[in-house]
Amino acid sequence: GAVVSQHPSRVICKSGTSVKIECRSLDFQATTMFWYRQFPKKSLMLMATSNEGSKATYEQGVEKDKFLINHASLTLSTLTVTSAHPEDSSFYICSARVADRYNEQFFGPGTRLTVL
Amino acid sequence: QKEVEQDPGPLSVPEGAIVSLNCTYSNSAFQYFMWYRQYSRKGPELLMYTYSSGNKEDGRFTAQVDKSSKYISLFIRDSQPSDSATYLCAMTYGQNFVFGPGTRLSVLP
Repeated sequence: GAVVSQHPSRVICKSGTSVKIECRSLDFQATTMFWYRQFPKKSLMLMATSNEGSKATYEQGVEKDKFLINHASLTLSTLTVTSAHPEDSSFYICSARVADRYNEQFFGPGTRLTVL
Repeated sequence: QKEVEQDPGPLSVPEGAIVSLNCTYSNSAFQYFMWYRQYSRKGPELLMYTYSSGNKEDGRFTAQVDKSSKYISLFIRDSQPSDSATYLCAMTYGQNFVFGPGTRLSVLP
């Protein structure tokens, strides 16, 4: 149990376009989902926390208009990178937390974004 | 001082060795402690989850928590090349969930 999927696993886009990444909890309801960014050989950097049905809470320094997060249901959250630029190229990982397993996060496999 | 400190490595060991991975933390409020394993270009995978001080064993893995010293460890016995990955400690209290920076481990055949 506690499987989280992400789609797409890899995306290459042109500078100026927008990219949407989906994060789904497959066998449980995720009251909270997290979005992380990770550069090569670096640790996870929390970008934002989203609770189902409410606005996401962004970490300091993360542009909310640049990284749009929607958590419309208990099994789906989306991250849209708007007007992507080469510096947005990174590995984006989502995780989900179950209401009654409060202290565990279950991670998706990640999405590698390359902006040309 | 960072909330959670972890030696980034890289740590290289021969196959069969016992590996010790460690994290220290500064906030005594942390109550739950976890170890994640992350293979290259993959999402982290939960390995061990502990609450109280002491040891917890799962196969070749042993997690150790010393709350008085604010120190946690993960031991890997009989290490295998397939254990080569980045290991991240994580800890939580209330709504706060904090990761260590991760230690890169290479187990050489």
